[in-house]
Amino acid sequence: DQQVKQNSPSLSVQEGRISILNCDYTNSMFDYFLWYKKYPAEGPTFLISISSIKDKNEDGRFTVFLNKSAKHLSLHIVPSQPGDSAVYFCAASEGSGGGADGLTFGKGTHLIIQP
Amino acid sequence: NAGVMQNPRHLVRRRGQEARLRCSPMKGHSHVYWYRQLPEEGLKFMVYLQKENIIDESGMPKERFSAEFPKEGPSILRIQQVVRGDSAAYFCASSPYGTGDTTGELFFGEGSRLTVL
Repeated sequence: DQQVKQNSPSLSVQEGRISILNCDYTNSMFDYFLWYKKYPAEGPTFLISISSIKDKNEDGRFTVFLNKSAKHLSLHIVPSQPGDSAVYFCAASEGSGGGADGLTFGKGTHLIIQP
Repeated sequence: NAGVMQNPRHLVRRRGQEARLRCSPMKGHSHVYWYRQLPEEGLKFMVYLQKENIIDESGMPKERFSAEFPKEGPSILRIQQVVRGDSAAYFCASSPYGTGDTTGELFFGEGSRLTVL
């Protein structure tokens, strides 16, 4: 049972446009959500996070939106740049912050930015 | 390099052999997590350790897999009698915090890729 779902295995976006990556979850106990970015042959690196008490968090070109009632979150990247081409993992945790018990990851979405 | 260090980066084993993967957390981090990524899959939580303690091993297969994080030295993920299905990338992550942390951020190593022939 996949508690965190990223239904798009890949997404192709033109450079300069907005990239929108989606993530759905089923566990209503999740209250902290993170996005990780992963290049080939490297470990995932933290990108941005959001607590369930918020519905939006912004950091430069990256914004994460959370819709708790729909159990859905999305990552917006604008404008998209070639260096954004990577696999993006959505992750979630229970409890206040979730550092203790590990994160539950989605399968990832491979974002390809076309010049 | 102050990041999470994993070795070996690549490991090839024949069926039935043992695999040992090592992870040194970031300086100052006392919480270590192991994740496994199978081909075409996301990262699956395996185990969470603090120094000399296993806190949560709910993601570990019941047999052949074990993990430790001794007082001195790196964390070790040990797979005995490997089978082809163990072929995967194994990622270690560390965190300075544990229960009650408000960031939830984990810092990952570059992974150890195990191939079982």
